[in-house]
Amino acid sequence: EVQLVESGGGLVQPGGSLRLSCAASGFTVSSNYMSWVRQAPGKGLEWVSVIYSGGSTDYADSVKGRFTISRHDSKNTLYLQMSSLRAEDTAVYYCARGRPYDYWGQGTLVTVSS
Amino acid sequence: QLVLTQSPSASASLGASVKLTCTLSSGHNNYAIAWHQQQPEKGPRFLMKLNSDGSHNKGDGIPDRFSGSSSGAERYLTISSLQSEDEADYYCQTWGTGIELFGGGTKLTVL
Repeated sequence: EVQLVESGGGLVQPGGSLRLSCAASGFTVSSNYMSWVRQAPGKGLEWVSVIYSGGSTDYADSVKGRFTISRHDSKNTLYLQMSSLRAEDTAVYYCARGRPYDYWGQGTLVTVSS
Repeated sequence: QLVLTQSPSASASLGASVKLTCTLSSGHNNYAIAWHQQQPEKGPRFLMKLNSDGSHNKGDGIPDRFSGSSSGAERYLTISSLQSEDEADYYCQTWGTGIELFGGGTKLTVL
């Protein structure tokens, strides 16, 4: 059974950093496209970043230069390192598998506030 | 520029059918999309991948009540025999070189 479980969310001050994790089971992360998608309170879905099976990455303009997507193959886990966080980064962050996304995690809430 | 457009809201009665639309921007008629459902206070759920020719592949456990079709730049999601649990937000998704994006979502109310 495919499962994605995010963790690492929380309250962080503007300018701070946070690392999100997405533990996968039932499939191999490194063999798939893996993405982060976020949803600000009361808003729609916004793509954040993707890591391709070959290891290359892409980012939304809104996070380019501040966020880094990576994976740990032996842990079968996806990460999102977020730095220089802003209030507008406040959202539930989901990890998702594939293109299109055929499995989603349950999400982890990131709140950027002083 | 690749853009997906969805109506903000739709409504239909219990037991009836509803057809939701996702429109691709000009010049992108051949793009495939995906439909996702997000029930209140839950994470999104993949419904189907929908190709430009109308062929579609549904996600695990998605009922036959959900179907997709295409016409030009329009991509449709039809839900028949509406049930109360179908009340949700529905998002379309597409992708291109170095980019993935979503439509603004349609909030479906089941009357």
